[in-house]
Amino acid sequence: AQSVTQPDIHITVSEGASLELRCNYSYGATPYLFWYVQSPGQGLQLLLKYFSGDTLVQGIKGFEAEFKRSQSSFNLRKPSVHWSDAAEYFCAVGPRGFTGGGNKLTFGTGTQLKVEL
Amino acid sequence: GAVVSQHPSWVICKSGTSVKIECRSLDFQATTMFWYRQFPKQSLMLMATSNEGSKATYEQGVEKDKFLINHASLTLSTLTVTSAHPEDSSFYICSARRPGPTSYEQYFGPGTRLTVT
Repeated sequence: AQSVTQPDIHITVSEGASLELRCNYSYGATPYLFWYVQSPGQGLQLLLKYFSGDTLVQGIKGFEAEFKRSQSSFNLRKPSVHWSDAAEYFCAVGPRGFTGGGNKLTFGTGTQLKVEL
Repeated sequence: GAVVSQHPSWVICKSGTSVKIECRSLDFQATTMFWYRQFPKQSLMLMATSNEGSKATYEQGVEKDKFLINHASLTLSTLTVTSAHPEDSSFYICSARRPGPTSYEQYFGPGTRLTVT
């Protein structure tokens, strides 16, 4: 069965510092990969996604993520964190292709980011 | 854009009553909608996949008679929690997917906080 692991439950960084949030997945084949951000009491906003092609993908709000097949990882990075980036971040995977299953996503347990001023 | 709304944003109900949550895609037609449940400090758990005009597909362990899902139009899906109990208190989030084989991305609503007293 597919699974997504986000090993860091909480991360605290200083504003202006760089950030890397880890995500590892277990899947039968290379899945579609996503990063979402959730502010308190809110729904999820898509930051970026990887379907194919260039393994370094750019997203919104200055985020990027790199897909590494050999490590089954899709880590999220940002070179300089802003206080407004404090939120919960979820990595998710979904099956490649569009046959059946409603394209269900499997989410990791999330990483809570705290930004110190 | 692709905006998904939910109503109400929060609701308090007494044990034994039923409560309906609406999920609307405001600027696109959604042939598939998803309902998730999120417990505090935890990830999203997929409850069911809702396809317009057909019965919802429930995930294992989710009581379909407890959580009634109706997807009567291309822009509206409803989740009714019947005979609610305190253990049903949770954050419920819906998402919607555009139709077509090349559309994979899910757009999430802001969530509904349900408290059963």
